[in-house]
Amino acid sequence: NAGVMQNPRHLVRRRGQEARLRCSPMKGHSHVYWYRQLPEEGLKFMVYLQKENIIDESGMPKERFSAEFPKEGPSILRIQQVVRGDSAAYFCASSLQSGRGPYEQYFGPGTRLTVT
Amino acid sequence: DQQVKQNSPSLSVQEGRISILNCDYTNSMFDYFLWYKKYPAEGPTFLISISSIKDKNEDGRFTVFLNKSAKHLSLHIVPSQPGDSAVYFCAAKYSGAGSYQLTFGKGTKLSVIP
Repeated sequence: NAGVMQNPRHLVRRRGQEARLRCSPMKGHSHVYWYRQLPEEGLKFMVYLQKENIIDESGMPKERFSAEFPKEGPSILRIQQVVRGDSAAYFCASSLQSGRGPYEQYFGPGTRLTVT
Repeated sequence: DQQVKQNSPSLSVQEGRISILNCDYTNSMFDYFLWYKKYPAEGPTFLISISSIKDKNEDGRFTVFLNKSAKHLSLHIVPSQPGDSAVYFCAAKYSGAGSYQLTFGKGTKLSVIP
């Protein structure tokens, strides 16, 4: 399966714990994006990364959230000290390139985070 | 301040008929538009896109129309099939330098009735 892979698919955390979400882009893609979907809402952009670089984190909450895309391994979205409002579906997407198109982003199945 | 609006939360269509899903945008900088289809508990699947230099793009049963002056686009599915039942998201992008994100509408849930 050469699609975008995310794990875990479901994650339950208690308030105050840390959540780590992983994403492996499609083969050949070096651009990774994270989006969050709250219930009854559309997807909201969080962050765009290339290998070892955060390019645009304008959608990331200023505190508790961080993302990385190391030279080796998957991209990680980390949420520290989770609160109930962090409960959402988190989607990772990847694209072939970003600057000159095509602009299609391909999404993984998502991680559903529930904070109890 | 929603920049991409899908004003119909749901739509029901008989199998074999045409489904028309609408999307409006407010940001005149957007120049690339995409439609995604999403089943429950899955990620969005890319369907079709259109650049602002065109007013129509067709791929099989799916056609997207863009009316730049009205800042409006629509997705036509014909003929509609039960397997098309899903939530459809409209997304928009500015293709200029420094812009990377897709801006999504809230989605329209399409139900195709056999």
